[in-house]
Amino acid sequence: EAGVAQSPRYKIIEKRQSVAFWCNPISGHATLYWYQQILGQGPKLLIQFQNNGVVDDSQLPKDRFSAERLKGVDSTLKIQPAKLEDSAVYLCASSANADQPQHFGDGTRLSIL
Amino acid sequence: SQQGEEDPQALSIQEGENATMNCSYKTSINNLQWYRQNSGRGLVHLILIRSNEREKHSGRLRVTLDTSKKSSSLLITASRAADTASYFCATDYAGGTSYGKLTFGQGTILTVHP
Repeated sequence: EAGVAQSPRYKIIEKRQSVAFWCNPISGHATLYWYQQILGQGPKLLIQFQNNGVVDDSQLPKDRFSAERLKGVDSTLKIQPAKLEDSAVYLCASSANADQPQHFGDGTRLSIL
Repeated sequence: SQQGEEDPQALSIQEGENATMNCSYKTSINNLQWYRQNSGRGLVHLILIRSNEREKHSGRLRVTLDTSKKSSSLLITASRAADTASYFCATDYAGGTSYGKLTFGQGTILTVHP
């Protein structure tokens, strides 16, 4: 079974620029998650999708972050404009359903200069 | 916040020894999960224990859950150098409108010396 694919692996941008991350979940997984992991901390959930609908985005800074899951498969997370505090690893995860274990990609490490 | 808290923050042991990590949380949960993260990689699911379960085993891993004390422990027996990683507990809060909204703790960094 192929795992969760994320790209790019690394991204360096200047503050106020825009950036987008892409995630391809495990085939057939209905639930998709985006997490932000700051160095030395545990992941923090940003948004949860069930198929192509948003289940929870209460911790997503909606003034600068947006996410979509077209056709209930791939997903993109965008930051516009980026701030210094957005430097983190952005992890995508998927699960067969919301009460099942989550499978994580290796993440995108974002550095803001 | 219903965030889990792991204890200790760091643990250093020799190969062959057992490693025990603890997790405390604040609110009622649907389930509690343990994940491992190697440096520069994503998280790998280890064990999910539901709120009506008290103990689960998987290979060299043993997880206990005490909902009265709002705590869980992860025991790794006969540790190996390859077990070196960060270990996180994550709670699925029972008061939410849906499953899957995990809250992770800060993690325990385990180092196993050959």
